[in-house]
Amino acid sequence: RKEVEQDPGPFNVPEGATVAFNCTYSNSASQSFFWYRQDCRKEPKLLMSVYSSGNEDGRFTAQLNRASQYISLLIRDSKLSDSATYLCVVEDGGSNYKLTFGKGTLLTVNP
Amino acid sequence: GAVVSQHPSWVICKSGTSVKIECRSLDFQATTMFWYRQFPKQSLMLMATSNEGSKATYEQGVEKDKFLINHASLTLSTLTVTSAHPEDSSFYICISLRGIYGYTFGSGTRLTVV
Repeated sequence: RKEVEQDPGPFNVPEGATVAFNCTYSNSASQSFFWYRQDCRKEPKLLMSVYSSGNEDGRFTAQLNRASQYISLLIRDSKLSDSATYLCVVEDGGSNYKLTFGKGTLLTVNP
Repeated sequence: GAVVSQHPSWVICKSGTSVKIECRSLDFQATTMFWYRQFPKQSLMLMATSNEGSKATYEQGVEKDKFLINHASLTLSTLTVTSAHPEDSSFYICISLRGIYGYTFGSGTRLTVV
């Protein structure tokens, strides 16, 4: 089983659509969870951290279900500028602190 | 905010030569640096973890004699790809752990070996 698994995509949606990304992780000891976005041929940039209580940042909402080891990201009212690859990232527990990345899901928002 | 300056951004080299990638923390001390690589349409995969003043810890399957990591100071970590071959062509990125402040990413290096 892959350590961090995401929807394979790609997703093609019209402007204004709502799109949801799903992610599961295998390491139950994982402590911290993130969504990053990566534009073509660039480094990933932090979109938001993910908390058990759920968190929202404008059009973006992230949820974490530790029991199911499941993370989600919802984008509402999608914009052309949201087109990117979305990476689910999990921090290992213990003293390692290494990050494990999902393969990413490509989103293209069309006019 | 905290910045990790990574150079070069891209490099093309001939097969058999060595390439050095530098990551420099500009306004903080990077005690831990992770080195990742990303092949096309693949996830970022951890190659090694380096801590200032000690030997790097390599992930399984990563040749330590081929990918030399030096973290001799708190502001500089380097990755040298020795005797590079076309299959080493990839996107290499350093990620610094800043304690409770989280992670700071370098901008990445796109290596093409011809």
